[in-house]
Amino acid sequence: QQQVKQSPQSLIVQKGGISIINCAYENTAFDYFPWYQQFPGKGPALLIAIRPDVSEKKEGRFTISFNKSAKQFSLHIMDSQPGDSATYFCAASNMGNNNDMRFGAGTRLTVKP
Amino acid sequence: DGGITQSPKYLFRKEGQNVTLSCEQNLNHDAMYWYRQDPGQGLRLIYYSQIVNDFQKGDIAEGYSVSREKKESFPLTVTSAQKNPTAFYLCASRSFPDREQYFGPGTRLTVT
Repeated sequence: QQQVKQSPQSLIVQKGGISIINCAYENTAFDYFPWYQQFPGKGPALLIAIRPDVSEKKEGRFTISFNKSAKQFSLHIMDSQPGDSATYFCAASNMGNNNDMRFGAGTRLTVKP
Repeated sequence: DGGITQSPKYLFRKEGQNVTLSCEQNLNHDAMYWYRQDPGQGLRLIYYSQIVNDFQKGDIAEGYSVSREKKESFPLTVTSAQKNPTAFYLCASRSFPDREQYFGPGTRLTVT
């Protein structure tokens, strides 16, 4: 069963625009929410992560917004650049379950110059 | 030069043959993981190991086997029992008590 639902499946944004990717989870025991960036033919790389005790975390142009009551979290990429074109995965894990990590299906982002 | 290495990058096999994918890490990480990635799907956990000589099945372990004889190494064998083995395979590792998993570059397996 899909425990983390990610949308949209694909996203096209103009250079300089804001990219927004959303994820929703079901298991309230999840306590760690990372985002990964993956370029074609490469392994995913950790981009940014958040824990449920904060509602927002920002690192450079990347921001995670977290809504615990709605069980939703999102990635915002400000001033999107062509180099940001990649597939983005959200994930959620539960320390109490051996850090079993559940991944969303991924969003393919294309930033047009 | 620390990290996770997976070899080979591309692997081709005939149906009915077993094949072993290599994963090595020199990060001194405790836990290691194998995921399978298919187009349009997220990563699905095949097996994971938290300590040497111990490993646990993930969601899609059928048709796969692993070993963890050394802390640095976690090879995955795709057996002939795996119905649809063509996929991109990713190895990851983690150091307790950190939560982050770090991924290798992946091996693309094609079985014909």
